Amino acid sequence: DTEVTQTPKHLVMGMTNKKSLKCEQHMGHRAMYWYKQKAKKPPELMFVYSYEKLSINESVPSRFSPECPNSSLLNLHLHALQPEDSALYLCASSQQGWETEAFFGQGTRLTVV
Amino acid sequence: GENVEQHPSTLSVQEGDSAVIKCTYSDSASNYFPWYKQELGKRPQLIIDIRSNVGEKKDQRIAVTLNKTAKHFSLHITETQPEDSAVYFCAAQESSASKIIFGSGTRLSIRP
Repeated sequence: DTEVTQTPKHLVMGMTNKKSLKCEQHMGHRAMYWYKQKAKKPPELMFVYSYEKLSINESVPSRFSPECPNSSLLNLHLHALQPEDSALYLCASSQQGWETEAFFGQGTRLTVV
Repeated sequence: GENVEQHPSTLSVQEGDSAVIKCTYSDSASNYFPWYKQELGKRPQLIIDIRSNVGEKKDQRIAVTLNKTAKHFSLHITETQPEDSAVYFCAAQESSASKIIFGSGTRLSIRP
């Protein structure tokens, strides 16, 4: 199984809502990532989890809150988002360490209204 | 931190011709350089990668070259086909962390 599965595929939320994005992989990967991708732009790193611990936070606003409940799951909790946060949110995973392929999920397309 | 520049931003080639995309990186300690293809509305998918101890790697119609001294690497696609039309991203992995930094992307169009 070389799949990274993200749910939901699409999400529309108001600026006062709280929602969560979910990501799951069963490849035994110990590094998991959240990326944000705006239209016609490259993926932009948000967070890196290594062995279920947050290892990198790329100065992401606190309205985005990541969580790694176990080695297969990664969540991104959303609260009080702004319309400019509308984007494709991509989860990825890789074996721990350098020089390893990152596998991406199909993404959640988020629209903040 | 690492910074990756990619050129050109758009590229249109005749079917059957070759396409070349070039990238430069800033951190001389980076040691892993993947290339991702992203079709419209889909996830990025790895098409080829190269490690710092290798100068060139080939996989069928796709090849990547790496010049560590000059800190640049290139993607070569030969005998292009319509299904090669997509956005291509180069990337570099920082040696100090697991994070992968992407270039700005090249939109490749194959003219029939």
